[in-house]
Formats: sequence, C-alpha cells, structure tokens
Amino acid sequence: RKEVEQDPGPFNVPEGATVAFNCTYSNSASQSFFWYRQDCRKEPKLLMSVYSSGNEDGRFTAQLNRASQYISLLIRDSKLSDSATYLCVVKAAGNKLTFGGGTRVLVKP
Amino acid sequence: DVKVTQSSRYLVKRTGEKVFLECVQDMDHENMFWYRQDPGLGLRLIYFSYDVKMKEKGDIPEGYSVSREKKERFSLILESASTNQTSMYLCASSLSPRTSGYEQYFGPGTRLTVT
Repeated sequence: RKEVEQDPGPFNVPEGATVAFNCTYSNSASQSFFWYRQDCRKEPKLLMSVYSSGNEDGRFTAQLNRASQYISLLIRDSKLSDSATYLCVVKAAGNKLTFGGGTRVLVKP
Repeated sequence: DVKVTQSSRYLVKRTGEKVFLECVQDMDHENMFWYRQDPGLGLRLIYFSYDVKMKEKGDIPEGYSVSREKKERFSLILESASTNQTSMYLCASSLSPRTSGYEQYFGPGTRLTVT
C-alpha cells in the first residue's frame, strides 16, 4: 500500500464550479500536511499547509481528518488557471516529505 | 526569491555512462533533496542532505550516489546509467525546520533519457 494515495483524476470541472478531492495517508504518526501544485512541465510549488482546524486561502480550503487519516482540498469558483496537478504531501518524523501521485484537475470554459 | 537551478533541462546518455546532475540553490538553505518523478509513481526521494558532506538515503537510493562539498551545491551521480533510470529528476532545497516550516523549493527538473 502506498504511504500517500490520491485519485489521479482527471477531474473535469466547469469554470466557476467547485471541486473537491481527498488524499489518504497510511502513517498514523504523520505530523504535517501540505498541498503542492504542479503545472504541466513545471516544478511543484507549495500551495498551502493543512492545519488541524482546517484553513482557507482565498478560494482554496484544506481540511485534515486525523481519525480517518485523510486530507482534502476544495477549490471554489474554479478558474482556468487552476488547471494543474495537486500533490498531497505528508511529513512524518524527520525532514522527509512523502508525496502522493497527484490529482489532475482540468478546468474548462 | 529562492532560486534552485539544475545544470541541464534535457540530457541523453548511453547505458553504462557515468552521469552527473548538478543542483545549486542561492538561499543558504541547509537541506537539499534529489527526487525522481515518474508517471503514476509521483515523486520519490533518492537522497537528501542536511549539511555539507552529510547525506542520507531516501526511499530509492540504489544505483545513485550524491555529493555535497559546498552548502549551495548538491550533485546526483549515476555511476553506470541504465534504461530504468530514464526519468525526470528534481532537486529541492529547504531551510532547517527549526527556523522555518517544511516548504521545499524545487528546481525546474532535468529530463534524463538513457538509451
């Protein structure tokens, strides 16, 4: 079983719609959680950290469910520029980050 | 702005060749990482380094070695390239988590093809 699992998608989303997707992690000792964004043929970049109480950054909302060991990302009022692959990232002990395979989102006019 | 640069965007090598991939960061980051990214497998950690001359194995170190002689530079070495090492190689750096979070800054990647 992979340590961090994501639905690869693609999620085809009409412009202006809301899309949400999850990521599950297997290590119950995981300490920190993040969403990274990777545009086509580009490097990954941090989108947002995920806090226990949930957090928002503009149109993006991240949630953490420790009991069920998953995190989620919700994108509201989708823009064409939101089209990307969203990588779920989990940190256990030490400085190592473990990346999920990514969820591809395609926003269409 | 943090900048992580990698020596080549595209590289084609023959089986058995020794390959050097160079990564340089300009933000005085303590930590540096080498990943490979393959379709369906995501990013997998090859090696990382917390300090000069220090290295630790990641999840898939077999067939690779690394060198960190200076703080800003982290090199990945393929001693004898094989076709299954054809991949996108990404370098990343980060501050120590004692002084900052765990955000990693990535270079643009090197697409290596081994024929």
